[in-house]
Amino acid sequence: ETGVTQTPRHLVMGMTNKKSLKCEQHLGHNAMYWYKQSAKKPLELMFVYSLEERVENNSVPSRFSPECPNSSHLFLHLHTLQPEDSALYLCASSPHRGTNTEAFFGQGTRLTVV
Amino acid sequence: KQEVTQIPAALSVPEGENLVLNCSFTDSAIYNLQWFRQDPGKGLTSLLLIQSSQREQTSGRLNASLDKSSGRSTLYIAASQPGDSATYLCAVGPVQGGSEKLVFGKGTKLTVNP
Repeated sequence: ETGVTQTPRHLVMGMTNKKSLKCEQHLGHNAMYWYKQSAKKPLELMFVYSLEERVENNSVPSRFSPECPNSSHLFLHLHTLQPEDSALYLCASSPHRGTNTEAFFGQGTRLTVV
Repeated sequence: KQEVTQIPAALSVPEGENLVLNCSFTDSAIYNLQWFRQDPGKGLTSLLLIQSSQREQTSGRLNASLDKSSGRSTLYIAASQPGDSATYLCAVGPVQGGSEKLVFGKGTKLTVNP
């Protein structure tokens, strides 16, 4: 258990659905991240939040919409997704952004878009 | 642009063997390097974090080394066990961005046969 919890663990959604992924950490970290892991590709950074403010959007399509209501919670709102968006979505946190610190990851949400 | 390469992509060994996983990166301007373990369909578990000023880190049967100038890191696993079977990921934190800009390799899938 890393201290970073993601729900749901598995999600199947149609291309017209709207769903949200949730990430929660009680490590007292100030920075949280969303990563995407597709088959046979390295992890790709999607978004970075620091102290609830989005500081990085790595050219992610607008059908992915992050939300960080407080420093412990991070959401990824999904709408009008494509089958190629099927992947493992990983949330991570670290004490601060842009520093020499360790990143802690959640267990991920396996998303399948049909 | 930082690129991380892990060799081999897959490795199968009998139980009890000592083994080495390799990671190379193209830009030596890094804050740190992290080794992670990922079980199938699961999130990442941080194994070792090496600061850029360090040469190695040890945790139990694991030893990670870092040669920043040559852009290389190795993860040594002593007396391998079937429970070590997983994918091992290497990630570097660049000086510009640190932990929020982790760049990952594609991983080495390790199978330890009983």
